[in-house]
Amino acid sequence: GQNIDQPTEMTATEGAIVQINCTYQTSGFNGLFWYQQHAGEAPTFLSYNVLDGLEEKGRFSSFLSRSKGYSYLLLKELQMKDSASYLCASMDSNYQLIWGAGTKLIIKP
Amino acid sequence: DGGITQSPKYLFRKEGQNVTLSCEQNLNHDAMYWYRQDPGQGLRLIYYSQIVNDFQKGDIAEGYSVSREKKESFPLTVTSAQKNPTAFYLCASSMLDATDTQYFGPGTRLTVL
Repeated sequence: GQNIDQPTEMTATEGAIVQINCTYQTSGFNGLFWYQQHAGEAPTFLSYNVLDGLEEKGRFSSFLSRSKGYSYLLLKELQMKDSASYLCASMDSNYQLIWGAGTKLIIKP
Repeated sequence: DGGITQSPKYLFRKEGQNVTLSCEQNLNHDAMYWYRQDPGQGLRLIYYSQIVNDFQKGDIAEGYSVSREKKESFPLTVTSAQKNPTAFYLCASSMLDATDTQYFGPGTRLTVL
């Protein structure tokens, strides 16, 4: 079956660094997406990885290891506005997104 | 200003009534999608369409119907056959290109009383 696993909730301190992990098992693989979703709002696109390695985009970076079926989202210099859920999604062989349940990130001052 | 709009933001309906949720995009995207989001679960695909006048069932299509008469519009009808319709409904669109990145509308929260 197809499965995406990510932690349900994480807590971090303002100004710190946090890493949100995601493991995936999908029928085929056409890329790994990360989205941010504030409570009651729509998901917004953060990153896309299809090749192994680290993609850096400002305070956010995303890493992919295809051989391990593993990705992480790294958030640096955390700000209170980063409090949100972070959704991991893998694109399968039919180009459909398989979504994780999301990781709720709580930032404390 | 390009984007995806969904209306209304909140919708209340009595049990047994059909209700239609609207989704419009002016991004010139080929593909459009409807998802349902429930607490503690990942987004689940209801229907998607890659071309006008054609659409495909997703994982949880039972009790829902869609149409794609125009490229810009992809309305979703929640019928009385849907057993648990109360949820947050998200519409998304994408180009059909190398990444197929999906962009979401603001969502409609449907509550069936």
